[in-house]
Amino acid sequence: NAGVTQTPKFRVLKTGQSMTLLCAQDMNHEYMYWYRQDPGMGLRLIHYSVGEGTTAKGEVPDGYNVSRLKKQNFLLGLESAAPSQTSVYFCASSWEGGTAYEQYFGPGTRLTVT
Amino acid sequence: DQQVKQNSPSLSVQEGRISILNCDYTNSMFDYFLWYKKYPAEGPTFLISISSIKDKNEDGRFTVFLNKSAKHLSLHIVPSQPGDSAVYFCAARGRGGADGLTFGKGTHLIIQP
Repeated sequence: NAGVTQTPKFRVLKTGQSMTLLCAQDMNHEYMYWYRQDPGMGLRLIHYSVGEGTTAKGEVPDGYNVSRLKKQNFLLGLESAAPSQTSVYFCASSWEGGTAYEQYFGPGTRLTVT
Repeated sequence: DQQVKQNSPSLSVQEGRISILNCDYTNSMFDYFLWYKKYPAEGPTFLISISSIKDKNEDGRFTVFLNKSAKHLSLHIVPSQPGDSAVYFCAARGRGGADGLTFGKGTHLIIQP
């Protein structure tokens, strides 16, 4: 049982390049989330999904797209990377069986855009 | 406008003593509050939560207190241990359940031997 995994762990992009971050969970959780964390800041919600085939915008969605084609996977895409998207990205999943819908996080992807 | 605030960026406590981490919020629609612990280069891990209808929840060495009238919550760790050194995030959940969490900026707890 790996929990939540993220691929890749590190990436350096040039401005204007595109990439996709992959999140996978093996806990059969219904809900999945993408957050970003910047230095000295808390985590901020980018997009989330309440089920396969659904997505919704969070607090900071601009410049990102997401897809949830399979229940266990949640993809985060950057179509044209900008230096402002340099950050650590965390994926999380949760389910309504938890007391507080507590979220389980992956180890993070550190992205640098030059 | 920050809806969840952790005003102490860092806190240093001696091993064996009590650590108290504080959190304030502004949105009265939050219905659950959660604490997460984060080590460097790892994702946050869930620690403890409290419903907005409770004023205390305890789990081993960890107790969370909620004061709704003051819109304030605190996490108590007793006794503090070296492995408790980490960044602690306070987070709040809206009544939507599956909606994402709103996080504070975190408090770096350092346990001194």
